[in-house]
Amino acid sequence: GQQLNQSPQSMFIQEGEDVSMNCTSSSIFNTWLWYKQDPGEGPVLLIALYKAGELTSNGRLTAQFGITRKDSFLNISASIPSDVGIYFCAGQRTGSARQLTFGSGTQLTVLP
Amino acid sequence: EAQVTQNPRYLITVTGKKLTVTCSQNMNHEYMSWYRQDPGLGLRQIYYSMNVEVTDKGDVPEGYKVSRKEKRNFPLILESPSPNQTSLYFCASSPAGTYSNQPQHFGDGTRLSIL
Repeated sequence: GQQLNQSPQSMFIQEGEDVSMNCTSSSIFNTWLWYKQDPGEGPVLLIALYKAGELTSNGRLTAQFGITRKDSFLNISASIPSDVGIYFCAGQRTGSARQLTFGSGTQLTVLP
Repeated sequence: EAQVTQNPRYLITVTGKKLTVTCSQNMNHEYMSWYRQDPGLGLRQIYYSMNVEVTDKGDVPEGYKVSRKEKRNFPLILESPSPNQTSLYFCASSPAGTYSNQPQHFGDGTRLSIL
């Protein structure tokens, strides 16, 4: 199965800095999702994007669905310690399978 | 509280000893799915089910079986586990039909170690 190219793989930032991560694919998706995973827990949905070009915010998080439908980015503004975790992008094709294709994750560390 | 519940959360076992990981959701979701998570590979889908008695293979189905006899339950079965199935497993569910674009909700995971 195809995987998404997610970058960067890891980031070390100072508290208060902004963060940006992105995912690219060679295939088109109908939906882009961003999840966060804390240690010992399952992925939790942060933002869902359903239309090409859509820009959606959730508190300090902003994500965009690329115009080509082959990419998406996630920005976190004014990072705080609890932002630490692994962030995954996922693409979904509408249809009978509704299979999610995940990126390999971005490990975010926020330094005090 | 709406949730996806997996059991056990942790299991250490030996090669060849059949095991079952249970998954239950209380949201009346039609769609359920199993993923495995390995370092550097993200999450990969093992099997999915669109509804009761309807299951299909995902990207990495080899060595696994599933069943969907009831809407709320979707157990993952390893008939003869091998060390390469040591991984972190997640069950997920979501609505289908009219609400088929709704994102999947994940359980807290089951860490399997096959010795």
